[in-house]
Amino acid sequence: AQSVAQPEDQVNVAEGNPLTVKCTYSVSGNPYLFWYVQYPNRGLQFLLKYITGDNLVKGSYGFEAEFNKSQTSFHLKKPSALVSDSALYFCAVRDSGGFQKLVFGTGTRLLVSP
Amino acid sequence: GAGVSQSPSNKVTEKGKDVELRCDPISGHTALYWYRQSLGQGLEFLIYFQGNSAPDKSGLPSDRFSAERTGGSVSTLTIQRTQQEDSAVYLCASSRSGTSAPDTQYFGPGTRLTVL
Repeated sequence: AQSVAQPEDQVNVAEGNPLTVKCTYSVSGNPYLFWYVQYPNRGLQFLLKYITGDNLVKGSYGFEAEFNKSQTSFHLKKPSALVSDSALYFCAVRDSGGFQKLVFGTGTRLLVSP
Repeated sequence: GAGVSQSPSNKVTEKGKDVELRCDPISGHTALYWYRQSLGQGLEFLIYFQGNSAPDKSGLPSDRFSAERTGGSVSTLTIQRTQQEDSAVYLCASSRSGTSAPDTQYFGPGTRLTVL
């Protein structure tokens, strides 16, 4: 069965500093990995995904994520955080076996202080 | 273009009543998904529609939950005899094909259901 772990409930970072939101996964086949962001009282917004190819994936709003197969991780990163990045971030995985549902992590709240 | 839309945005109902939640997917998307987001359970998959194929209902928590998709477009999630544990945000998503390609699922704003 597929699973995703986001080990940190909250990440605090000062504006202008780099940020990392951690995600590890478990799938039986090749993973398809996704990051979504949720602002208060809003749905999920797609940030980026890893399917195959380069391990470093670039996405929206300056975010990127690094796929590491040996560590089964897909950490979300941004070189310089903005206060407006404060939100709830979800990592999700789908395996390549055709089963369509996304399995989500529990979410990490990012708080960027001015 | 327009994104996924859901209605109502908020629904308050009394325990035991039936509710219907509606989802309009992105035009041209053949795959449609329902998820539920609750404090205790996080984000969980409910049901998946792909074109005219039989839906994948493996995530529905009980037989009080059902969903249909008419004409391959609009979907309605129905909860019968609502219980307080049904209180959650119900999210709908759609994707271009949902078959072998790892399509991106785009989410609507959700319907917040409160069962009193």
